[in-house]
Amino acid sequence: GAGVSQSPSNKVTEKGKDVELRCDPISGHTALYWYRQSLGQGLEFLIYFQGNSAPDKSGLPSDRFSAERTGGSVSTLTIQRTQQEDSAVYLCASSSKRGTGPYEQYFGPGTRLTVT
Amino acid sequence: AQSVAQPEDQVNVAEGNPLTVKCTYSVSGNPYLFWYVQYPNRGLQFLLKYITGDNLVKGSYGFEAEFNKSQTSFHLKKPSALVSDSALYFCAVSGNTPLVFGKGTRLSVIA
Repeated sequence: GAGVSQSPSNKVTEKGKDVELRCDPISGHTALYWYRQSLGQGLEFLIYFQGNSAPDKSGLPSDRFSAERTGGSVSTLTIQRTQQEDSAVYLCASSSKRGTGPYEQYFGPGTRLTVT
Repeated sequence: AQSVAQPEDQVNVAEGNPLTVKCTYSVSGNPYLFWYVQYPNRGLQFLLKYITGDNLVKGSYGFEAEFNKSQTSFHLKKPSALVSDSALYFCAVSGNTPLVFGKGTRLSVIA
């Protein structure tokens, strides 16, 4: 079946502009995660959605970052007034709560964001 | 707080030789441990996980990992490395979601 998809695959933007990154999780997966992967760093957790519960935003680095998940499916990560340090690969993952947890996460290919 | 350490940025191994990629963790309570692999220009792929039970966990592509509670380690192993195993490997821990990842270890298998 279809995996997690993300768009765009690459995004180049000028400092100060806003960007939106999209994630389509695997159909039926109730949990959705956003991570950031910077060069030489591991994956940094940003935000987590689980069903209709309030999202866990504890990983968002600043108030310039926000995310929505509409209808329990597609999610959009928005970065306002982008800065050069926002340049990274943004990864989305989803997981199911069927069976015994914890549940492995399935990752999309990522969006490479470059802020010039 | 949960944390994961991957002490080696880079591991080089000859094709056909056994490989080990190291991971140690820190978590309060029972650890749930994962290994993921990232091939160039691709997303992370799940390899295996430890929840409870046998300390030796078998996963995809012939990989296995050994959970050692006393040493708080979860090293990834494979008896015979392939050139196609060359990739970036991430260890992750979860006491609860979301996962906390290590910084990754780049594995190079040389023919």
